[in-house]
Amino acid sequence: DARVTQTPRHKVTEMGQEVTMRCQPILGHNTVFWYRQTMMQGLELLAYFRNRAPLDDSGMPKDRFSAEMPDATLATLKIQPSEPRDSAVYFCASGLVRFGGQLNIQYFGAGTRLSVL
Amino acid sequence: QQPVQSPQAVILREGEDAVINCSSSKALYSVHWYRQKHGEAPVFLMILLKGGEQKGHEKISASFNEKKQQSSLYLTASQLSYSGTYFCGTEIISGTYKYIFGTGTRLKVLA
Repeated sequence: DARVTQTPRHKVTEMGQEVTMRCQPILGHNTVFWYRQTMMQGLELLAYFRNRAPLDDSGMPKDRFSAEMPDATLATLKIQPSEPRDSAVYFCASGLVRFGGQLNIQYFGAGTRLSVL
Repeated sequence: QQPVQSPQAVILREGEDAVINCSSSKALYSVHWYRQKHGEAPVFLMILLKGGEQKGHEKISASFNEKKQQSSLYLTASQLSYSGTYFCGTEIISGTYKYIFGTGTRLKVLA
């Protein structure tokens, strides 16, 4: 049963600390998305990768957030330094873009619930 | 820029029907619909491509009017399991690629 795996599931940290969230996309998928979800803002796209190349990170605060895909089986989202306003659920999703450019289904991971104190 | 969904929230009795709308100010390449239950990740329902396509999934169907940049999700004979928040996800291609979720619609089905 293929699924997107995110770690950790929960993270509590203090303001100023570095936070790293990891995502293992479904094998064979060529797109990875990072989303942040809060009650106030809904689902916000932070970054989008296709074939490991970042295509859109316009929704990500550049001064403290960074997203990478060191290889096809791992995507990371880092926050340094973390702030209380970063508290949210962070979802990773993977999908397959076929010839023609349209995205197929996005499969979401279970999310990382981050609390910054 | 975020697609607007209406209504924001709706309460139904089991067996009643509902329509959820998604309206974008940008030209859409495709529309996806997702349902998210409390404390869980969004789950894919269906995808609609350009061409005024309509799709069905059990008692849930959807339409996509690309000229109006709108999509509607139709829930027929609602069941308790339909409760959750529904999001439309939109692919926008105008120079650069964008994927943007709508504002969300909270749906509660009562017994």
